[in-house]
Formats: sequence, C-alpha cells, structure tokens
Amino acid sequence: KAGVTQTPRYLIKTRGQQVTLSCSPISGHRSVSWYQQTPGQGLQFLFEYFSETQRNKGNFPGRFSGRQFSNSRSEMNVSTLELGDSALYLCASSLLYGPDTEAFFGQGTRLTVV
Amino acid sequence: QKEVEQNSGPLSVPEGAIASLNCTYSDRGSQSFFWYRQYSGKSPELIMSIYSNGDKEDGRFTAQLNKASQYVSLLIRDSQPSDSATYLCAVPPSFGNEKLTFGTGTRLTIIP
Repeated sequence: KAGVTQTPRYLIKTRGQQVTLSCSPISGHRSVSWYQQTPGQGLQFLFEYFSETQRNKGNFPGRFSGRQFSNSRSEMNVSTLELGDSALYLCASSLLYGPDTEAFFGQGTRLTVV
Repeated sequence: QKEVEQNSGPLSVPEGAIASLNCTYSDRGSQSFFWYRQYSGKSPELIMSIYSNGDKEDGRFTAQLNKASQYVSLLIRDSQPSDSATYLCAVPPSFGNEKLTFGTGTRLTIIP
C-alpha cells in the first residue's frame, strides 16, 4: 500500500513569488492535514481538510491556503513568499477526521525562499 | 507553560540499555497520545499510539500513559544505534483548532 506522496520534494523560490505544494494521501484516507516544520518553531499545524472542506486552521496568515479535491488529494498554496517561509512542509494523512485518528506523514517538501 | 513539553536532550544511552523519553501535556481533556520518530532530514514516523491509562507494548517500545499526572512516556528496550533520532510527542487538543500539538522533541543518541 502506497504511503503519503508529496510533490515536489524540493523547491527554491524568490521572495514575493507564490508556490503550490501537492499531497496525495494513503489510499482510502480522507483527511489531510498540513504542518510547517522549522528549527526554531518545530512542527506547527497549518490546516486540515476532510471531505473537501477545511475543518481546522492553525495560526498562520491568510497567505497560506489550501484545498482538497474529491479524490482526497490536497494542495497547499503560499502567496507572496517571505524569507521566513523557508521550511519543511509536511502533509499527514488520516483515515477519518477527528482527534483520535492516527496521522501518517509524507516525505515533505523542503521550500527555500531566497 | 507550553501545551506539550519534552526535554530537548540530547539524551545519550548506551547500546542495549533502556531509553526513557518523557512528555507532559497541559490539556486535561486530551484523550489520545502519539509518539513519532524523526531521523535527521526525514519526516516524522508514527511509532506508538496510546489512548488508555497504563502501558502499551509494541516490540521493543512501551508507551506509558498517566492521565491524572498528564504524563506520557516512551521506553525503548535493548536500544540500538538505529534508534538514534528525535522523538516527538503529539497530543490532539480537546478544544481549539489544531489537529495535533507537537512537543519540541527529544534528541536521542545511542552510543555503541
């Protein structure tokens, strides 16, 4: 059974640009959540999608957005990139929505903003 | 007070010994608890989930939960060099908007 697939694995962007990251969850999983990981802040929750609806949102500015498609694949978009957006962006897949469901991470997309 | 606290380490343990990793949380309403292992440059990997007070064993790993003390721990028996990684404790809050709140992680080094 395939795991969580994130593309691309690495990205280099310039300040002010926008970027779209993609996540394909484990087959049959319907919940996708996104996290940002930096050395200084650790793992921080961005948002969670279930059945194409955003269910939860973390404390990030509106430049960070996402969506989920009918096949449960999800995309995350960051507009007007800032140097501080350089991070590892992780997508996690869960079978169902809810706090007790296990979440499995993809390999991540490492974004560098220059 | 942080919502999920872990000693950042590094924690050094001789090969073959027991490594003990600790995590405290502030939300008394939290019902599920997860341990992730993250190798350097890799993504977190779920290694244990625990929902009830007491111990849960899976191979060389044992998770211990004490909800009254708001404390969850991970024991690694017969530690191997391949266990060297950062271990993250994750707790879903009982209120608010987050899916999982992570501790800052404990860096574990197994010394051959």
